[in-house]
Amino acid sequence: DTFLTQSPATLSLSPGERATLSCRASQSVSSSLAWYRQKPGQAPRLLIYDASNRATGIPARFSGSGSGTDFTLTISSLEPEDFAVYYCQQRSNWPETFGQGTKLEIK
Amino acid sequence: EVQLVESGGGLVQPGGSLRLSCAASGFTFSSYDMHWVRQATGKGLEWVSAIGVGGDTYYIGSVKGRFTISRENAKNSLYLQMNSLKAGDTAIYYCARWSSSRWYDYWGQGTLVTVSS
Repeated sequence: DTFLTQSPATLSLSPGERATLSCRASQSVSSSLAWYRQKPGQAPRLLIYDASNRATGIPARFSGSGSGTDFTLTISSLEPEDFAVYYCQQRSNWPETFGQGTKLEIK
Repeated sequence: EVQLVESGGGLVQPGGSLRLSCAASGFTFSSYDMHWVRQATGKGLEWVSAIGVGGDTYYIGSVKGRFTISRENAKNSLYLQMNSLKAGDTAIYYCARWSSSRWYDYWGQGTLVTVSS
C-alpha cells in the first residue's frame, strides 16, 4: 500500500493567517492526489484534485501543489470555517489511501 | 441537487451481520462508480469497497470475503452487506460518488456501525 504521511498533526493559527499543510507519499503518486476538508460531525468535502485543481465551488484562497511524493495544501488567509481536519488521498496506486489528517485549530 | 443518504447502521454483536443502504438522488446513478469509505471514531478515513458502472467490485483486504457491495440502478441504491463483523469494523460508513475526474465529489452523511458484545 502507498502510505501518506501528513504534517503537522496539529496546526494552530489565527484567522487571517496563512496555513501550509504537507502530505508525503511512501512512493510516487504522480499528480494523483486530492485534499479534503472535514468539519466536525460532517462528511469530508473535496477541495483540491489532481494535486492542484480546485473543486467546484472552492474559493481561491485554497491552492495545491506538488507531484511525485511531496504535496502541499496552502490556505492563503484563514476563514473561521477553515478550522477543521484536512486529509490527503491518493488514487495512483491500488488501493487508494488517505493520510491520517492534519487538524487546523484556532490559536 | 446531488444527495446520498445512508441507512442501516446500528449495534451488532461480533460475528453478526448488517446491510447498509445508500439512496442516491439528483444525478444519473447508473453512470457513476460508487464507493464505501469508513471512519473509526476520532480516526482517519479508510476506503472499504467500490462498485463500477458495469458491476465490477473491489474490496480492501481486511473485508474481502466478509463484505459484499452491490447496486440496484432501478432504485438508485447502493448496498453493503457486512457479515462476520468484527470489533475493528466499528466506524461511520460513508457512501461516496466517484466523479468523472475520479475523486469523491459527493458524500453521504454516514451511518454508524458499532460491533460490540
